[in-house]
Amino acid sequence: DGGITQSPKYLFRKEGQNVTLSCEQNLNHDAMYWYRQDPGQGLRLIYYSQIVNDFQKGDIAEGYSVSREKKESFPLTVTSAQKNPTAFYLCASLGGVSYNEQFFGPGTRLTVL
Amino acid sequence: QKEVEQDPGPLSVPEGAIVSLNCTYSNSAFQYFMWYRQYSRKGPELLMYTYSSGNKEDGRFTAQVDKSSKYISLFIRDSQPSDSATYLCAMSASGANSKLTFGKGITLSVRP
Repeated sequence: DGGITQSPKYLFRKEGQNVTLSCEQNLNHDAMYWYRQDPGQGLRLIYYSQIVNDFQKGDIAEGYSVSREKKESFPLTVTSAQKNPTAFYLCASLGGVSYNEQFFGPGTRLTVL
Repeated sequence: QKEVEQDPGPLSVPEGAIVSLNCTYSNSAFQYFMWYRQYSRKGPELLMYTYSSGNKEDGRFTAQVDKSSKYISLFIRDSQPSDSATYLCAMSASGANSKLTFGKGITLSVRP
């Protein structure tokens, strides 16, 4: 089955620790995105990548880092510099007939203890 | 003023009701408008995609865009309990391959 997978589904982290969220897609999509969703806040763009080995900051990139070494993978690292990391993290890739749809993964819920 | 404003909700309706969900926006450059549906603890899925002003219908769903008023709507006819979800509007100036700006989402509950 084609799609986007995110792992783990739930993640717990102690304050001061870095943690990496996985995002993998087998849709052969070039562009990939990371969003953060908080209650009552909608989705906010963290980072995005149009092609391999290239990525740009979104609206709330501080405290996060990404890499795009392979087309199918776009991992997100939440660093200890991120002040309020507890949130629901969503990965997406761009596809559709006219590249008009961002397909979302199932999300990772990160909780900082 | 936020770029995209969405009615905060939550919204509860009886089964079979017509539901109207709305968003307003301030950026006149927006030309592409989307509605996403998100079930609890899942990723959003695209429901409707429209370009510029006008109406688009897909089954029980109708998306309406009024660029002159900077106002978009999603209508759900004959609502079903399976429509219970959070609905997010999203828009961009250059299509889904550019930055999407999302509304905060509204949670809809359809009572059997």
